[in-house]
Amino acid sequence: NAGVMQNPRHLVRRRGQEARLRCSPMKGHSHVYWYRQLPEEGLKFMVYLQKENIIDESGMPKERFSAEFPKEGPSILRIQQVVRGDSAAYFCASSPRGTSTDTQYFGPGTRLTVL
Amino acid sequence: LAKTTQPISMDSYEGQEVNITCSHNNIATNDYITWYQQFPSQGPRFIIQGYKTKVTNEVASLFIPADRKSSTLSLPRVSLSDTAVYYCLVGGPGAGSYIPTFGRGTSLIVHP
Repeated sequence: NAGVMQNPRHLVRRRGQEARLRCSPMKGHSHVYWYRQLPEEGLKFMVYLQKENIIDESGMPKERFSAEFPKEGPSILRIQQVVRGDSAAYFCASSPRGTSTDTQYFGPGTRLTVL
Repeated sequence: LAKTTQPISMDSYEGQEVNITCSHNNIATNDYITWYQQFPSQGPRFIIQGYKTKVTNEVASLFIPADRKSSTLSLPRVSLSDTAVYYCLVGGPGAGSYIPTFGRGTSLIVHP
């Protein structure tokens, strides 16, 4: 049973380009969370999705950032026109029911570097 | 959401028992307490979860007093590989609506 998979593991972009981060949840999990972690800081919640629905995007910047979790395929976090401040580690996690008693299973993260 | 407070960092030595306390004064009746561990360059990993009294698994113990306004994660006989950041989370079981808040966690450094 494969764990949460994220790709790419490392992504380098120049300012103004687009970054597309992928997350495949654990089998049977329909709840996906995206987090951002800056160096020496904790995880900051960005967005929570269920299949085909955004449940809560209160932690995601209103501009340039978007997320989706289609019926088929991985969840995508998309950052348009990246800036240096977007450089961070982006983690996704999945859980079966989206409750606090569920264990969140995290992927290995995508480290985005904006030059 | 109940806010949590934990020490920013702790130091210990191999073989010692480490106790990390988390304060959550405004914890709600339905809230559970969950701890995660994060190694450098990895995603967090679930350690233990509890509601009241004491919970123990193969990795750690979780002590929760009767008023539930705090909790203590206990790591027995730590080794160098226990060096990590430990996060305390508090939240209710609302299905499909739980947003985990990780905060900055406690950075534990285990010395030889």
